[in-house]
This record gives sequence, C-alpha cells and structure tokens, in this order.
Amino acid sequence: EAQVTQNPRYLITVTGKKLTVTCSQNMNHEYMSWYRQDPGLGLRQIYYSMNVEVTDKGDVPEGYKVSRKEKRNFPLILESPSPNQTSLYFCASSLVGTPGNTIYFGEGSWLTVV
Amino acid sequence: QQQVKQSPQSLIVQKGGIPIINCAYENTAFDYFPWYQQFPGKGPALLIAIRPDVSEKKEGRFTISFNKSAKQFSLHIMDSQPGDSATYFCAASIYRGSTLGRLYFGRGTQLTVWP
Repeated sequence: EAQVTQNPRYLITVTGKKLTVTCSQNMNHEYMSWYRQDPGLGLRQIYYSMNVEVTDKGDVPEGYKVSRKEKRNFPLILESPSPNQTSLYFCASSLVGTPGNTIYFGEGSWLTVV
Repeated sequence: QQQVKQSPQSLIVQKGGIPIINCAYENTAFDYFPWYQQFPGKGPALLIAIRPDVSEKKEGRFTISFNKSAKQFSLHIMDSQPGDSATYFCAASIYRGSTLGRLYFGRGTQLTVWP
C-alpha cells in the first residue's frame, strides 16, 4: 500500500529537548515536504526536498532542520523546541514531472511543547 | 504575506445544497491550482486540480471554476452530502520546468453539510 508514514503520531515534550519526527514513503517519490497546520492559518510549508541531498526552505523554516540522505526518508529535526512550535505536522511526498502529480500526505504528528 | 486568500472560513449548508469556496491569488506566475480535502484526524488529500489554460474542470460532483484575469478560482460541490463535511484547502504552485515547486495553501474552509 502506497503511504507516507510519520512517527511519532503524538508527542509531548519540554522546551529545549531536541526531537526528531521521522517521515518515510514507499512510493519512490523524489519530492518530500514538511508542513505545519495551525488553527486559522492553514498549512504552511516548513522545508521541502526535490531529491536526495537537495533541500530548500519553505515559508516557516525557523527553528527546524531537515536532511535527505535517502530517497525514502525526510526527518524533521527540532534542535531546541519552543512552545510556539506546538502544532500538527504533516509530511508529504510526490513524484516530480508532469503537472497533476498527486501529493500524498501522512496522517500527521501532534506535537506539544511545554 | 498570504499568497493565497481563501473564503469563507466556515460554511454550513443543507444536504443537496451547492457550497462554493473561493480563493484569490496575486502571483501571476502560479500555474497549478489544486484543492485538498481533509477529514478530522487525517492528512489532506488531493480532490481536484486545474491549470490556468482551462476555465473549468469537473470531477464527479466537484467543479473548479478558474478566472485568470481576476486571479480567482473556486470550488463548487454539487448535491452536497453529509459525507462532504470536511476542511477544504485551496493551493497554488509554480511549476519550475518539470518539477513541482513550493505549494502555497489557503487558510482552509470548514464545511458542514446538514442532513
């Protein structure tokens, strides 16, 4: 089954404690991306990657890091989480190429920073 | 700066009604306009998308209308059903060559369809 898998799905952590949210896709997609979803603000892109070792900033990259060492994985790293990073996070992937390629989203990771 | 402006924020219709969600953009370089549907506890899923070379696209009960000169596009849901109750996001993107660039989302519309 084609899917984007995120872990953990739910996490409560404390300010300053480094954490990583993993993302893996089994569709051999080149493109992967991270979004955060906040009430009233919709989905905002954090980082995206067009392929292995190629990453780019989205709208709200501050406080986040990413890496793309393998095609299937795109972890999101919060080096020193702060309460304003409490949010619902989505990883997404798609093929690149002709327009209309579907972007597949994971089921989301609820992160609370206290 | 909001790249894509979406309205209304919430919408309630009776079953069988035709909810309409509107989006507007400024960047004329955008050339791909998808709509996503999100159910509670799930990630968004692509519903329908349009390129600016057409003014309308239909897929089942869902229709996108596109007005290039006004830089607006809208989603119409014909014969709406309670199962259509979800949050809908419009989005816009620029295709760089053959790659999908950054995707800018509207803030979402929470649709409730009463039986």
